[in-house]
Amino acid sequence: DTGVSQNPRHKITKRGQNVTFRCDPISEHNRLYWYRQTLGQGPEFLTYFQNEAQLEKSRLLSDRFSAERPKGSFSTLEIQRTEQGDSAMYLCASSIRQQTYEQYFGPGTRLTVT
Amino acid sequence: AQKITQTQPGMFVQEKEAVTLDCTYDTSDQSYGLFWYKQPSSGEMIFLIYQGSYDEQNATEGRYSLNFQKARKSANLVISASQLGDSAMYFCAMREGLNFGNEKLTFGTGTRLTIIP
Repeated sequence: DTGVSQNPRHKITKRGQNVTFRCDPISEHNRLYWYRQTLGQGPEFLTYFQNEAQLEKSRLLSDRFSAERPKGSFSTLEIQRTEQGDSAMYLCASSIRQQTYEQYFGPGTRLTVT
Repeated sequence: AQKITQTQPGMFVQEKEAVTLDCTYDTSDQSYGLFWYKQPSSGEMIFLIYQGSYDEQNATEGRYSLNFQKARKSANLVISASQLGDSAMYFCAMREGLNFGNEKLTFGTGTRLTIIP
């Protein structure tokens, strides 16, 4: 049973460029989450999908951010016109409706905006 | 107000000793869940243990146990017989409104645990 995978693991981009990250959840998991983690902080919730439907978005997700999960499997997170403040670790997690509700995280994509 | 408070930025513990990592939470919901995650230097968040607000017994998973004191709104993680591989960041998290389909986790700022040989 493979875990959550994320690509790329690292991304360095210049300010103003667009970037896209991919997340592949655990195969039978219908729920997928995106979080952002800045240095010295815990992860902060960005958005959540149940199958292909985006059911919740944080106010942290500005209009420069968009997330999709077109076929209810993998998901992409795109950041347009990147800013230095977007530098962070972007974490993806997945879950399936279970008694304990735990979310399983991927290794993350570290974004550096120069 | 912070929903999850972890007051210990860093802790140093001798190998094989037990360690308690503190976590207090704030919620008005009756149905919620509390989680502990471990984040090694590699960056991946590893799920350790879960406690539901209606669970009468403290959760245990191997060397991990959760000391749940509902009236005090605390959910401390206890690691018994610490090992060098336990050195990592530890995050407490909460999921509110379990009965209403709320899915997001709210995390604390973490505690960096260092095990000394």
